[in-house]
Amino acid sequence: EAAVTQSPRSKVAVTGGKVTLSCHQTNNHDYMYWYRQDTGHGLRLIHYSYVADSTEKGDIPDGYKASRPSQENFSLILELASLSQTAVYFCASSDAGGDEQYFGPGTRLTVL
Amino acid sequence: GDSVTQKEGLVTLTEGLPVMLNCTYQTIYSNAFLFWYVHYLNESPRLLLKSSTDNKRTEHQGFHATLHKSSSSFHLQKSSAQLSDSALYYCALLQGTGSKLSFGKGAKLTVSP
Repeated sequence: EAAVTQSPRSKVAVTGGKVTLSCHQTNNHDYMYWYRQDTGHGLRLIHYSYVADSTEKGDIPDGYKASRPSQENFSLILELASLSQTAVYFCASSDAGGDEQYFGPGTRLTVL
Repeated sequence: GDSVTQKEGLVTLTEGLPVMLNCTYQTIYSNAFLFWYVHYLNESPRLLLKSSTDNKRTEHQGFHATLHKSSSSFHLQKSSAQLSDSALYYCALLQGTGSKLSFGKGAKLTVSP
């Protein structure tokens, strides 16, 4: 049974619209992460969280917000989607040591 | 800050030839912890190898890598490429503070018959 799940798996959004990507983990991990994957850029960290009700900025947080309402759930919010946010988004979780991150299946977001 | 460099973006090999994907890193911390993640098409990225021990070879699924702190390198190698090795490979560095990873840009390996 998949330990990190993401929804939706794919989404088409319009420029200026609001998009929410959801992530759920059953690993009992404290840390959760949101990455975007782009060809030529690899995986870049957007936001992360190490405890419920708290989020931290990653390396490329501009244009994104995050929410961690519980240990199991972590959402990524694009308030005003832009063309440049077209990418594949991955959620991951890890324990406090961070020596292995477990990834979800990804969400392919297309902004038109 | 911490960073990882993977010079090869695209690597194309014939089956049976050796694989070497380069990874170098920069960090101000002496306790570098390096990883290789593999991302197969239509799957989730997953951990392939990890090491924090200087000059010790680590192996998994036919791949191996040795962390060399003197040269800040953690190259991924395999003696004989297989078609099933075609994937995207990421080198990553655990940042000195917290549990964040710095990923390289990735190397897309394509193995052909």
